[in-house]
Amino acid sequence: DAGVTQSPTHLIKTRGQQVTLRCSPKSGHDTVSWYQQALGQGPQFIFQYYEEEERQRGNFPDRFSGHQFPNYSSELNVNALLLGDSALYLCASSLAPTLGGELFFGEGSRLTVL
Amino acid sequence: SQKIEQNSEALNIQEGKTATLTCNYTNYSPAYLQWYRQDPGRGPVFLLLIRENEKEKRKERLKVTFDTTLKQSLFHITASQPADSATYLCALDIPPYNQGGKLIFGQGTELSVKP
Repeated sequence: DAGVTQSPTHLIKTRGQQVTLRCSPKSGHDTVSWYQQALGQGPQFIFQYYEEEERQRGNFPDRFSGHQFPNYSSELNVNALLLGDSALYLCASSLAPTLGGELFFGEGSRLTVL
Repeated sequence: SQKIEQNSEALNIQEGKTATLTCNYTNYSPAYLQWYRQDPGRGPVFLLLIRENEKEKRKERLKVTFDTTLKQSLFHITASQPADSATYLCALDIPPYNQGGKLIFGQGTELSVKP
């Protein structure tokens, strides 16, 4: 049973560019959440997708957008990259928005913005 | 807004001892609290969840307590082993509580267990 898979694992971009990160949730899961983790910090919630819609959003600018496909996989897009966007981007899946559900995380996509 | 504080200093202990990690939060009490383990360059891995009406939860060598009066959770690893060395993250839910997946994480505490 495949867990959460993310791609690419590492990427380097320059300021002003755009990036797309991809996530396939754990088999049977229908909800995907995205987190940003800066070095030495805990993950910060970006947004959550369920039934192909953004259900909740954290305190991130509109440069951060996403999408969920009918097969529950998801993409995170970041436009007009800033140096401060350099971080580990984590995708987490769960089974439907439920109270207290544990999250299953992927290994993350390490983004470096030069 | 809700804030979470974990031991900012790394915790170094000897193998076989009990490691105790602290998670303090401000403002409202969450419906539940979770603990995750994270190894360098890897994604967090879920360990334990404790609900607001539970005082204590155990899983093998792990124990979590939840004191809503003190606004604090303690995470214990008994008979620690070098393989327990990792960063441990505390996470709380955010209202609306029926929308699982939206968590606030602490900055994590790095645990190092020496042989």
